[in-house]
Amino acid sequence: AQKVTQAQTEISVVEKEDVTLDCVYETRDTTYYLFWYKQPPSGELVFLIRRNSFDEQNEISGRYSWNFQKSTSSFNFTITASQVVDSAVYFCALSEDQTGANNLFFGTGTRLTVIP
Amino acid sequence: ETGVTQTPRHLVMGMTNKKSLKCEQHLGHNAMYWYKQSAKKPLELMFVYSLEERVENNSVPSRFSPECPNSSHLFLHLHTLQPEDSALYLCASSQDFAPNYEQYFGPGTRLTVT
Repeated sequence: AQKVTQAQTEISVVEKEDVTLDCVYETRDTTYYLFWYKQPPSGELVFLIRRNSFDEQNEISGRYSWNFQKSTSSFNFTITASQVVDSAVYFCALSEDQTGANNLFFGTGTRLTVIP
Repeated sequence: ETGVTQTPRHLVMGMTNKKSLKCEQHLGHNAMYWYKQSAKKPLELMFVYSLEERVENNSVPSRFSPECPNSSHLFLHLHTLQPEDSALYLCASSQDFAPNYEQYFGPGTRLTVT
């Protein structure tokens, strides 16, 4: 079974619209870490955020915000007032403490296109 | 140079060729990784090195051979590849091998096997 599911394969929005990217994870570990990465057309994955399983506080960074809910095993990412530069593939990822290793399980990604 | 760099950015090779991918991190990190990214598939972790020792090898075919001469450099040696090996190969590094450290990625090498 896939540990990280990003059900939205592709999303298109018009500039200035808000958009939420969904991420659902699966783990039996009590301590784990969730990540979001952005992959622009240049190919390099850019780290956006890390969240620890014991910290459910939501986070806001500029136009980006993240909603972590353990009850639904979700870690959703919202971009407010989207811009063309936000166009990229976004990946959610999970690592588990029980492995003792930095093994990231990635979702299949959501391709976001922001139309000017 | 800053962050994680990879060379070459693009590579076309025949199935009988031997080539190497190079990765260098300028972050002072202790762990380095090779990933394979194919279309419509999750990123696949191939190899992990911590302090120049290989700690993970996820059943990768022997035609891929990693080398980590020091904590800043990582190579992926390629020989007798197959067309299905065509993909984007990404290198990453993290401060430590523990699961709570974020990984920083290079721009990747786009490999085409003909």
